[in-house]
Amino acid sequence: EIVLTQSPATLSLSPGERATLSCRASQSVNSYLAWYKHKPGQAPRLLIYDASNRATGIPARFSGSGSGTDFTLTISSLEPEDFAVYYCQQRSDWPLTFGPGTKIEIK
Amino acid sequence: QVQVVESGGGVVQPGGSLRLSCVVSGFTFRSYAMHWVRQAPGKGLQWVAYIAYDGRSQRFADSVKGRFSISRDNSKNTLYLQMDSLRVDDTAVYYCARQDMAYWGQGTLVTVSS
Repeated sequence: EIVLTQSPATLSLSPGERATLSCRASQSVNSYLAWYKHKPGQAPRLLIYDASNRATGIPARFSGSGSGTDFTLTISSLEPEDFAVYYCQQRSDWPLTFGPGTKIEIK
Repeated sequence: QVQVVESGGGVVQPGGSLRLSCVVSGFTFRSYAMHWVRQAPGKGLQWVAYIAYDGRSQRFADSVKGRFSISRDNSKNTLYLQMDSLRVDDTAVYYCARQDMAYWGQGTLVTVSS
């Protein structure tokens, strides 16, 4: 099973600041890496697929990069609605696996 | 407009069974594989099961293999998750999601407790 590790566990930032989230895989997932935003009581929302492609309707402030085992999600300037938990997920091999999440909280 | 609506959650005793349903509209259900994903209280997301667009291929997380089954009725735009031999650690919100995980439902809560 491919294990995903996310860092940091929590990010305390203010609106307008830049957020940089990391996801590391235990083995190469090529570019089959997705990012999701999840708020309590809501459905998870796909942000980025195949490491760097924004999903439909996702604002340009969200960007993804990386390949192989190291990936980054960057939010260039945090909006109030961006404070949530973010998960990475690999689609390279079965079973599909998610990282433990990074919580972005308001500083 | 895409809609994904799960139902069938509830409270069940350990060892019991439950069947979840997921009704989809707004996209051609029969053309897409589907997933079930769950989130236990205070925990992260965990992939549970997958079924191909035609139902012929299925995959399961090791934690549910042999206890859960997945099926679909393309004539009814409906996905199912049959959960047997339920355990306390199956307690979670269960989501269904399209193949590419671009669309998810709001989830249905399953509580396994005596």
